[in-house]
Amino acid sequence: SQQGEEDPQALSIQEGENATMNCSYKTSINNLQWYRQNSGRGLVHLILIRSNEREKHSGRLRVTLDTSKKSSSLLITASRAADTASYFCATDAMDSNYQLIWGAGTKLIIKP
Amino acid sequence: EAGVAQSPRYKIIEKRQSVAFWCNPISGHATLYWYQQILGQGPKLLIQFQNNGVVDDSQLPKDRFSAERLKGVDSTLKIQPAKLEDSAVYLCASSRKGNSSPLHFGNGTRLTVT
Repeated sequence: SQQGEEDPQALSIQEGENATMNCSYKTSINNLQWYRQNSGRGLVHLILIRSNEREKHSGRLRVTLDTSKKSSSLLITASRAADTASYFCATDAMDSNYQLIWGAGTKLIIKP
Repeated sequence: EAGVAQSPRYKIIEKRQSVAFWCNPISGHATLYWYQQILGQGPKLLIQFQNNGVVDDSQLPKDRFSAERLKGVDSTLKIQPAKLEDSAVYLCASSRKGNSSPLHFGNGTRLTVT
């Protein structure tokens, strides 16, 4: 089953613009993680945000978590061509014995 | 630290043949995962090990898939016999503290079954 759903499925923006991706989930969680996957490569961990946190930053990345709405957003500021990748969220669902549930991802394309 | 190592990088086999994938996790990582990722989809967990014990194999097609993690370090995933729908990327990942800590992924094995 897939608890995390990313939105949009695909996003194409100009280099330099900001990119926002959203993740919604269905049940209570302990933490939510964001990963990036470049074509033909494995996933790379970006940020882990715990259920008692509302916002985290890492360089040009900002993640917010709203547990009341069961949603999270990933903001990439000042996008670069190298940010072109698929982005996935993963949640540890309390009702699934905290097993990680992955979304289908958002495919981000940065146009030069 | 060295990353998660996987081999082979690519594999092409005919249906009904068998295939094996190998994974060497990051040193000291107790949790090891095997995921199947079909093009355009998120990873699907096949099996999760904690040291050399199985934590979750509920989505592993046990009639054809098997995995082991001897001595709690390296792991192998085997498919026998392969079906066309097994064509996918097989990703290995490891983490220090299970699902509450970041997963580190290898670059995967791309399997094509013809």
